[in-house]
Amino acid sequence: AQSVTQLGSHVSVSEGALVLLRCNYSSSVPPYLFWYVQYPNQGLQLLLKYTSAATLVKGINGFEAEFKKSETSFHLTKPSAHMSDAAEYFCAAPDTGKLIFGQGTTLQVKP
Amino acid sequence: ETGVTQTPRHLVMGMTNKKSLKCEQHLGHNAMYWYKQSAKKPLELMFVYNFKEQTENNSVPSRFSPECPNSSHLFLHLHTLQPEDSALYLCASSQALLAGNYEQYFGPGTRLTVT
Repeated sequence: AQSVTQLGSHVSVSEGALVLLRCNYSSSVPPYLFWYVQYPNQGLQLLLKYTSAATLVKGINGFEAEFKKSETSFHLTKPSAHMSDAAEYFCAAPDTGKLIFGQGTTLQVKP
Repeated sequence: ETGVTQTPRHLVMGMTNKKSLKCEQHLGHNAMYWYKQSAKKPLELMFVYNFKEQTENNSVPSRFSPECPNSSHLFLHLHTLQPEDSALYLCASSQALLAGNYEQYFGPGTRLTVT
């Protein structure tokens, strides 16, 4: 069965600094990988999706993620953090008709 | 209305009450999901419906009763809840299971407080 691990339940960066949120999937290569973002008191919103067409995936709000098979990773990055990026981020992978979500990483952006 | 809508957005209920949560999707999808999101806990998948048929029940207590009358609507009937059931309940939809696209679209959630 697929599993997803997000390293670091809480990440804090300064405004303008690089954002790096880590995600690792289990050994079987998934056909898709997702990053979702959740703002306070809202549902999850799709940030980007990997579909094996390209290893570097660009998403909304300046985020991108790189699929690395050798490292079983799909880390999320943004070159310059903005205050509005403060939210919870979830990585997810499919498994027999459902999505397996990581535990989530809360991103704090300090002024 | 567009996307996935959920009503009510907030609900406070006593332990002896009966209430229902409603979810509606306007995306033409055929699979729908209920999730529970508690503070400091991972997202928990509760139920999955595919073409109105329940395909997954993750050992959810019987005080939660789902209903899917058609592919666009999903309900969660609640009765004799416990305080630990207080959480954000999220509904999601996607194309039919095993259609090859696992992308799920979420509603804004219902914040449930059990007193």
